Amino acid sequence: AIRMTQSPSSLSASTGDRVTITCRASQGISSYLAWYQQKPGKAPKLLIYAASTLQSGVPSRFSGSGSGTDFTLTISCLQSEDFATYYCQQYYSYSTFGQGTKLEIK
Amino acid sequence: QVQLVQSGSELKKPGASVKVSCKASGYTFTSYAMNWVRQAPGQGLEWMGWINTNTGNPTYAQGFTGRFVFSLDTSVSTAYLQISSLKAEDTAVYYCARGRTMFEFPNAFDIWGQGTMVTVSS
Repeated sequence: AIRMTQSPSSLSASTGDRVTITCRASQGISSYLAWYQQKPGKAPKLLIYAASTLQSGVPSRFSGSGSGTDFTLTISCLQSEDFATYYCQQYYSYSTFGQGTKLEIK
Repeated sequence: QVQLVQSGSELKKPGASVKVSCKASGYTFTSYAMNWVRQAPGQGLEWMGWINTNTGNPTYAQGFTGRFVFSLDTSVSTAYLQISSLKAEDTAVYYCARGRTMFEFPNAFDIWGQGTMVTVSS
């Protein structure tokens, strides 16, 4: 099974900051990578698919990049509503999620 | 609008069974794969497997074979997750989630149910 490793596991930042979360796959997954945002008590929300394609309705301050084994999610100019946990997911071979990155207010 | 609505929270004793429902609306149910995802308390997301809503064929991830069964009732656009011989470690929120693209698997998950909390306790 393909393993997905996110870093960091947690991150403190302030509104207005630019943050980057990294996701590494244990083998190449081309661009079959998605990013989700989850807030406490809520279902995950799809932000980005195909590594860099923004899901409809998602603000443009979210962006994704990468292919093969290394991927990044960048949030430019953090807003208060962005503090949440973020997960990457590979869907190259079945599906696997990363362990999550908790983004907290500094 | 496109949505998935799941059944309510369940409290079960060890050894019992539970059946969680996921009712789809706003789209053609049989055109999109349905996935199941588990989230234990305070933990991350774990993909359990998926069911082909066109053929009814289920596929289970490692660790979710034997006691877990995915099924459908296409007449009411509903997917089901049944868990038998419940254990304390099955305590979790269970989500259904739609594959983003018609007739494609695997895929990103664009529509999620609200989640069903299953608590297993004596």
